[in-house]
Amino acid sequence: GAVVSQHPSWVICKSGTSVKIECRSLDFQATTMFWYRQFPKQSLMLMATSNEGSKATYEQGVEKDKFLINHASLTLSTLTVTSAHPEDSSFYICSARSLSVSSYEQYFGPGTRLTVT
Amino acid sequence: RKEVEQDPGPFNVPEGATVAFNCTYSNSASQSFFWYRQDCRKEPKLLMSVYSSGNEDGRFTAQLNRASQYISLLIRDSKLSDSATYLCVVTRNTGGFKTIFGAGTRLFVKA
Repeated sequence: GAVVSQHPSWVICKSGTSVKIECRSLDFQATTMFWYRQFPKQSLMLMATSNEGSKATYEQGVEKDKFLINHASLTLSTLTVTSAHPEDSSFYICSARSLSVSSYEQYFGPGTRLTVT
Repeated sequence: RKEVEQDPGPFNVPEGATVAFNCTYSNSASQSFFWYRQDCRKEPKLLMSVYSSGNEDGRFTAQLNRASQYISLLIRDSKLSDSATYLCVVTRNTGGFKTIFGAGTRLFVKA
């Protein structure tokens, strides 16, 4: 099956610093990548949708200047949490849709656990 | 009201039991339906797609009722390893492709 990787798998940073999370599709080309956030005991919440070579579409309530998304190639998208605060601590998961698959299936990365101290 | 609603549980069942999860969705434009499984601190993993004709994969049976906007998952002969959160997931392509996750139903299977 299709594989999506994320790096880092976990990160601890100080308040006010920025953190970059990478999402890569390893064995397929992803037309679209999605970034989700999940707080403990809650469901995944879509933050933004990014298409290769174009600006990301952010969900309501998600600050685009705080969560910078870059989708420079068909296999890589990055999420940068700028000026992180403790309330940004969460589990960030990316997913990707395959260019060659007609179904609506998404492939998820293993997630990045961010802790802001 | 959430677009995808699930009973949060938890469901506590003994090994070997049969357990059923229900899910309802409110947007009639929904196109594809899935059950995902999520283990603690892990990413969701696709369990199975759901079709109107119903589909079965081993001990798991999924059913979709478009008229009632209702999705179900039946697990037979529960195993300890089935303990997880089961997410009902719906996709639609209105105003852009969207995937909507239910909040999940927690299952604990006890020995």
